Amino acid sequence: AIWMTQSPSLLSASTGDRVTISCRMSQGISSYLAWYQQKPGKAPELLIYAASTLQSGVPSRFSGSGSGTDFTLTISCLQSEDFATYYCQQYYSFPYTFGQGTKLEIK
Amino acid sequence: QVQLVESGGGVVQPGGSLRLSCAASGFTFSSYGMHWVRQAPGKGLEWVAFIRYDGSNKYYADSVKGRFTISRDNSKNTLYLQMNSLRAEDTAVYYCAKGADYGGNSYFDYWGQGTLVTVSS
Repeated sequence: AIWMTQSPSLLSASTGDRVTISCRMSQGISSYLAWYQQKPGKAPELLIYAASTLQSGVPSRFSGSGSGTDFTLTISCLQSEDFATYYCQQYYSFPYTFGQGTKLEIK
Repeated sequence: QVQLVESGGGVVQPGGSLRLSCAASGFTFSSYGMHWVRQAPGKGLEWVAFIRYDGSNKYYADSVKGRFTISRDNSKNTLYLQMNSLRAEDTAVYYCAKGADYGGNSYFDYWGQGTLVTVSS
């Protein structure tokens, strides 16, 4: 299985800040990486796929980068609705795996 | 619009069985791979199982292999998860998720609202 290390696990920030979340793979996965946002009591929602492609309807303040083993999710100019938990996920090979999650909280 | 509605969750004793269903609408169900993903209370996401668009290929997480069976009925636009020999550690919200493609190498572009399975005596 491909192991994923997502960091940080907790991130405190303020509205208007720029934040970055990292995801590192135990082996190369090309660009087969997705990012999801989950709010309490809700199902996850797709933000980014193929490492850097924004899902339709997702605000442009979200962006993704990376390939191989190192990936980044960046949120520029945080809005109040962005405070949530974020997960990376590889779909390069089965078993699919998720990062441990990053909870983004208001400072 | 795409809708995925899970049902069948509940409380079951250790060693028991449960079958989850996921009713799909708003897209051509028979053209897409489908997945089950679960989330234990207060924990992260765990992929559980995948079935190819035509049911020809299935994959499972090691934690459920030999106990869970994924299946689909394309005539009813419904995905299933048969769960046997349930353990306390299977307690979770179970989500069905639509693959973005017919086979593997696809992310999850739509998710259901989830159904809670509690394994407890």
